[in-house]
Amino acid sequence: GAGVSQSPSNKVTEKGKDVELRCDPISGHTALYWYRQSLGQGLEFLIYFQGNSAPDKSGLPSDRFSAERTGGSVSTLTIQRTQQEDSAVYLCASSLEGTGGLNEQFFGPGTRLTVL
Amino acid sequence: AQSVTQLGSHVSVSEGALVLLRCNYSSSVPPYLFWYVQYPNQGLQLLLKYTTGATLVKGINGFEAEFKKSETSFHLTKPSAHMSDAAEYFCAVRRVGDTGGFKTIFGAGTRLFVKA
Repeated sequence: GAGVSQSPSNKVTEKGKDVELRCDPISGHTALYWYRQSLGQGLEFLIYFQGNSAPDKSGLPSDRFSAERTGGSVSTLTIQRTQQEDSAVYLCASSLEGTGGLNEQFFGPGTRLTVL
Repeated sequence: AQSVTQLGSHVSVSEGALVLLRCNYSSSVPPYLFWYVQYPNQGLQLLLKYTTGATLVKGINGFEAEFKKSETSFHLTKPSAHMSDAAEYFCAVRRVGDTGGFKTIFGAGTRLFVKA
């Protein structure tokens, strides 16, 4: 596609439910990142994929959060037993990742998650 | 550890006035520095980046930033604000993650308001 797409754009769920957020990166981009943007906060790094593997999961806030990437393309971020503090905008980004790591990250529009 | 500090969560300027958004970083190694802009309900877009070489970096939409190692700063400027510049701006530093790959650390963001 022309850019990074994310779905759904908005998700409202009840506390305790599981949610899945999807990211479609730009075709050919090997690196994929998930970030969380809470109200009035900056972007919080969650996880980074290179291909299908995740060398850096250090930002996942708890074991309720997990992510996978298949075929070196689509990624899904899953939040189990959602809590109200999980409410935020979840942003996905992708980049051509080679040596140097200076390739531009292209961001999707985000998924706004609201946990009631 | 690396961190990014943006001074002022909100900045208001008049149309046609100078825009100055401040960013200071801490880094134990020469950093890669970035400025991103986020318009409402959109993902982040790269404005400009500093890697090596010339310390004055020009970006899109008339913005520029100067890397000052002695001051550990990377302030963003634009000589004359336009109404369309109203958005949130994020300063970021990129480093190698603990388990490989590249991690981008974002500041908390500065929301720019432009008055007619």
